[in-house]
Amino acid sequence: EIVMTQSPATLSVSPGERATLSCRASQSVSSNLAWYQQKPGQAPRLLIYGASTRATGIPARFSGSGSGTEFTLTISSLQSEDFAVYYCQQYNNWPVLFTFGPGTKVDIK
Amino acid sequence: EVQLVESGGGLVQPGGSLRLSCAASGFTVSSNYMSWVRQAPGKGLEWVSVIYSGGSTYYADSVKGRFTISRDNSKNTLYLQMNSLRAEDTAVYYCARVPFNTGYYYMDVWGKGTTVTVSS
Repeated sequence: EIVMTQSPATLSVSPGERATLSCRASQSVSSNLAWYQQKPGQAPRLLIYGASTRATGIPARFSGSGSGTEFTLTISSLQSEDFAVYYCQQYNNWPVLFTFGPGTKVDIK
Repeated sequence: EVQLVESGGGLVQPGGSLRLSCAASGFTVSSNYMSWVRQAPGKGLEWVSVIYSGGSTYYADSVKGRFTISRDNSKNTLYLQMNSLRAEDTAVYYCARVPFNTGYYYMDVWGKGTTVTVSS
């Protein structure tokens, strides 16, 4: 079973600053990694899939990188609407099973 | 507009059953993979189950043997039958679409969720 970890658990950032979130897999997941944003009381929203491809309608300030076991989500200049919890998620190839990381909360410094 | 709307949540006693529904619009459920994900109060996301376009089904170990995922193509609706419910099944349950035509597997459309509370 692949275990996902995320760091830090909480990231305090000032608006306009850069935020870097990390996600690590216990074994290689190739580029089979997605990122989601979740705000309180809302469903998750897909940000990134395939480790680095932005989903439809996602602003360019969100970028993903990495492959294998180490992945990064970067928010280049935090806007007020970006304060939320971010989850990474891996998927095995066959059968398709999904594992989420524990999440990183990005809050206002 | 592509949309998913869950229903069927509520309060149920331990050992009881509940069936969740997820009505889709703007796309065809049977042409996609469809999944259920849950979130316990104050906790993170947990994948529950997936049904492939071909009909194969898979479950997280935590619900295997108790939950059943299915779909009704004529109603374009996804279901989750939950039996032998436990307190730890208390969560918001989301249904989500898993597009499979990109070579990657992720959840691109989510419903707003339905709340299941298991308590006596």
